[in-house]
Amino acid sequence: GQQVMQIPQYQHVQEGEDFTTYCNSSTTLSNIQWYKQRPGGHPVFLIQLVKSGEVKKQKRLTFQFGEAKKNSSLHITATQTTDVGTYFCAGYSGYSTLTFGKGTMLLVSP
Amino acid sequence: NAGVTQTPKFRVLKTGQSMTLLCAQDMNHEYMYWYRQDPGMGLRLIHYSVGEGTTAKGEVPDGYNVSRLKKQNFLLGLESAAPSQTSVYFCASSYLGLAGATGELFFGEGSRLTVL
Repeated sequence: GQQVMQIPQYQHVQEGEDFTTYCNSSTTLSNIQWYKQRPGGHPVFLIQLVKSGEVKKQKRLTFQFGEAKKNSSLHITATQTTDVGTYFCAGYSGYSTLTFGKGTMLLVSP
Repeated sequence: NAGVTQTPKFRVLKTGQSMTLLCAQDMNHEYMYWYRQDPGMGLRLIHYSVGEGTTAKGEVPDGYNVSRLKKQNFLLGLESAAPSQTSVYFCASSYLGLAGATGELFFGEGSRLTVL
């Protein structure tokens, strides 16, 4: 079945440093979604990418979808303590459900 | 805006007991899902439903049953709870997106279940 791998599992940065998490799928994806889960909270949708090579920005967050539609990345510029949480990617490849990666936990020290 | 509501939020069970988690959504979404989240394991799909009266197995369905008698409700049942079912359970719903793809998922706040 479809697998979505996400790296790193965990990253600890100093406030102001950049952060990137990567997502790789075993199959070509129709679209990919990104979610953020704050500690003790529930996952919240951030964005969806659909087109090959697509790049979207949300303030300090930049999302990319690979040309082959099998990988994606989330980059945060100049992290803040409010960025703390776990970031999940989730890919859709034509079945009825998304397949989630295991997430990258981000810790930001002031 | 209630969105997706899960009840109960916390529950402690003894091994062998049964219980039902209720998920209700007020967004008229067709799709509903039950996930479990364990440390280091991400979100694993238990069961899902693509419409009223339909259910399907996900990645980890054993030990769970579900029902979708009404479009707005999705119930997750544990017939005989086991310590391995200690987890945080999330319900989610979504609309049907472009070209049949799943739209964004709206999650409930979670239900923390402990089985002793």
